[in-house]
Amino acid sequence: GAVVSQHPSWVICKSGTSVKIECRSLDFQATTMFWYRQFPKQSLMLMATSNEGSKATYEQGVEKDKFLINHASLTLSTLTVTSAHPEDSSFYICSARTRTGMTEAFFGQGTRLTVV
Amino acid sequence: GEDVEQSLFLSVREGDSSVINCTYTDSSSTYLYWYKQEPGAGLQLLTYIFSNMDMKQDQRLTVLLNKKDKHLSLRIADTQTGDSAIYFCAESQAAGNKLTFGGGTRVLVKP
Repeated sequence: GAVVSQHPSWVICKSGTSVKIECRSLDFQATTMFWYRQFPKQSLMLMATSNEGSKATYEQGVEKDKFLINHASLTLSTLTVTSAHPEDSSFYICSARTRTGMTEAFFGQGTRLTVV
Repeated sequence: GEDVEQSLFLSVREGDSSVINCTYTDSSSTYLYWYKQEPGAGLQLLTYIFSNMDMKQDQRLTVLLNKKDKHLSLRIADTQTGDSAIYFCAESQAAGNKLTFGGGTRVLVKP
């Protein structure tokens, strides 16, 4: 299957700083990438959908100014958590798909963010 | 909106079969997926089924779909200790669309 790589795998940052998480499709071109958030012992909740070259579509309740998503190329999307607070500590997972009609999206290994 | 429900926990002895159940509410769900998540890792797609199918088998995995009752199950035959993980069912309304996940079922395989 296709490979999606996230970086970093884990990060610890201080409150008030910003953190950037990268999601790369290594062997295919990802026209669409999805960003999910997973709290401990909970399910994944979709945060936003990004299409290459256009603005991301955010789910209701997700602050677009706080969670900046950039999908500038067909192999890279980034999620920047701005002015991070301890409540932003979570597991962030991206998934990527290629052309429309592809049955499945492929997931990255996730990034564990801890804000202290 | 869409809602996907799963039981929280399943304990099974090594060598036995495991059955994980999932229900969903959205009748327009077209694709139904099963993912496996090991501790600290991302999601691994195990299998998926189209809504016009009743059953799909892939080696030790059997997926059953009752579209009338909106009930999905995953059966793992000859469960191994390496099958211990959290299993998520998910649905989407179109190929490659965003996924709505259930809460996950933690499966513990005892030797």
